Amino acid sequence: DGGITQSPKYLFRKEGQNVTLSCEQNLNHDAMYWYRQDPGQGLRLIYYSQIVNDFQKGDIAEGYSVSREKKESFPLTVTSAQKNPTAFYLCASSIDSGNYGYTFGSGTRLTVV
Amino acid sequence: GESVGLHLPTLSVQEGDNSIINCAYSNSASDYFIWYKQESGKGPQFIIDIRSNMDKRQGQRVTVLLNKTVKHLSLQIAATQPGDSAVYFCAEKRSGYALNFGKGTSLLVTP
Repeated sequence: DGGITQSPKYLFRKEGQNVTLSCEQNLNHDAMYWYRQDPGQGLRLIYYSQIVNDFQKGDIAEGYSVSREKKESFPLTVTSAQKNPTAFYLCASSIDSGNYGYTFGSGTRLTVV
Repeated sequence: GESVGLHLPTLSVQEGDNSIINCAYSNSASDYFIWYKQESGKGPQFIIDIRSNMDKRQGQRVTVLLNKTVKHLSLQIAATQPGDSAVYFCAEKRSGYALNFGKGTSLLVTP
């Protein structure tokens, strides 16, 4: 079955550490997205990628970095520069950047300890 | 980005009743809207979408209404079932190539 897989489901980070959240899709989608969700909040866009080897900053890109070396993969690194990283992170993909019927992963819950 | 908001943070309905979830948007140039459903601990799932050249669109047990004059859209769920309990988000196409999401409405279906 095609889908989008995020791992790990839960992640604990010590202050000052970088961590990388994995996002893999086998839907052959060109576009991929990272959103952050805080309790009682909507989803806020971190980064998005329309195509391989290209990505753009969203509204809250500071303290985050991404890469898009393969069509299937769009990993998100939460760096030590992100002052409040505890949140639920959602990865999504769509056929192309003009298609907004996103398929979302199940999310990664990141907690700073 | 432009804001997308919701009138009520929580909504409680009895099983079998109809539910109406509202959403206001601020960007009059928005031309595409989507409703997503998010169950606890999961990613959002697409429910239904509507383009700005339409006032109404129906799916299975769901209807989305768009009022461009007052920049408001609503999601109507007919004969609400316990499995409909979730957080519902409206989203609008933003400038560039991504979606702007509202804060969400939590729908609780009681027996």
